[in-house]
Amino acid sequence: GESVGLHLPTLSVQEGDNSIINCAYSNSASDYFIWYKQESGKGPQFIIDIRSNMDKRQGQRVTVLLNKTVKHLSLQIAATQPGDSAVYFCAESRGYQKVTFGIGTKLQVIP
Amino acid sequence: ETGVTQSPTHLIKTRGQQVTLRCSSQSGHNTVSWYQQALGQGPQFIFQYYREEENGRGNFPPRFSGLQFPNYSSELNVNALELDDSALYLCASSPGQGANYGYTFGSGTRLTVV
Repeated sequence: GESVGLHLPTLSVQEGDNSIINCAYSNSASDYFIWYKQESGKGPQFIIDIRSNMDKRQGQRVTVLLNKTVKHLSLQIAATQPGDSAVYFCAESRGYQKVTFGIGTKLQVIP
Repeated sequence: ETGVTQSPTHLIKTRGQQVTLRCSSQSGHNTVSWYQQALGQGPQFIFQYYREEENGRGNFPPRFSGLQFPNYSSELNVNALELDDSALYLCASSPGQGANYGYTFGSGTRLTVV
């Protein structure tokens, strides 16, 4: 299938290790942030979101951290599995209007 | 519950031609957003439709236009195709206008302009 990961930053992790994917967002007025996962040949899939009045949110095996001071988001994936291999995008929104995507990071899980 | 369906999956057009891409929303969703994703890039917002009206537009020229129908399905039309229009076009539906309602994306239409 086609790759959406050409020319993207790549993070390689060993299966079972934790992964941390970082993102710098651009608009200081953004108040809602989302992480998406995109597998080859598919559209982006929602992973987790966080509002600007929070600095941490946890889901199943995933945690998002928000640092508004430096406009930085991170996605932590615990016990990374081969099925986690994909391109990960952070996205931002202001007033819950249009969603603006970042560049993306390709996660490669080494079995 | 059906997801978002886009058609066709792949398309090849010649520069200068016109193209129409189609999107069927997920059941119960009244809002559709269209994105363009160039190879190796993040999706770029084209426009959004809410209850058949355009509800926000990104930095795309007027030759990119759209429609939303009473059943909330949608079309993206691109006139006078240029080589740089080659990309994956993604449709996302949601049960409301705001991003916080959650977008469900289709698998996209891969458009190649030659």
